Amino acid sequence: AQSVSQHNHHVILSEAASLELGCNYSYGGTVNLFWYVQYPGQHLQLLLKYFSGDPLVKGIKGFEAEFIKSKFSFNLRKPSVQWSDTAEYFCAVIPRSGNTPLVFGKGTRLSVIA
Amino acid sequence: DSGVTQTPKHLITATGQRVTLRCSPRSGDLSVYWYQQSLDQGLQFLIQYYNGEERAKGNILERFSAQQFPDLHSELNLSSLELGDSALYFCASSVEQGAYGYTFGSGTRLTVV
Repeated sequence: AQSVSQHNHHVILSEAASLELGCNYSYGGTVNLFWYVQYPGQHLQLLLKYFSGDPLVKGIKGFEAEFIKSKFSFNLRKPSVQWSDTAEYFCAVIPRSGNTPLVFGKGTRLSVIA
Repeated sequence: DSGVTQTPKHLITATGQRVTLRCSPRSGDLSVYWYQQSLDQGLQFLIQYYNGEERAKGNILERFSAQQFPDLHSELNLSSLELGDSALYFCASSVEQGAYGYTFGSGTRLTVV
C-alpha cells in the first residue's frame, strides 16, 4: 500500500516569503499525485495534480509542484506567500490504476503573518 | 460549492448514541468515499462505495457502517459513539475509481459529549 510523508507539521512565514513544503511517497508502481488545501473551516480543495508529462505542474493561486521520480517527491512551492494562503496543505497519492483509495499525508499547517 | 453535499454540517450527540451522516455525490460520479479527519490521526480513509457496492475498506471501526443507495447518495452510520469519535467526517466522490482525483464535500463536524 502507498504512504505519504509530509516533513513539516507547522510552517510560519512572513508575507512575501517563499514557500516550499516537502512531500515524499512510498509506492512501487506508477502514481498520480495531488496537493489539496484546506482553508480554516472549509473543505479540501484541489490545488494541483500530476499525472504524467512535464514534472513541473502549476496550480491555482500561484502554486506549483515538482515531481522528482528518483526521489519519490512532490514538493509544493510558491515564490511569495500571502496572508490568505494561511491553511492546511495535504499531499496525496493514488496508484495510476486507482485500485486503492487516495492516501493523504498528515498535512502541513501554514501560518502567514503580516 | 464543490457539488458534493453533506448533511448535517454539525452534530452534537452523547456517548452511546447513534448518528447517520449523509452524502450526495457530484452529478455523474459513481464512487463515494468517506474519510475521518482528527487532529492526531489526520485524514483516514474509512470506506469506498462504487455504484452501490462496497469497493474498499480502510480503518473503519465495526461500530461504523455505510451504504450507497440506488440514487448514489451514501450514508455513514456511527453507533455506540465514544468521545474519541469526535472528528470531521468528509465525503468525497469521483468518476469511476478516482485515479484522477476526488471532489470533497464540506464535511460533518461530529462532537460526542
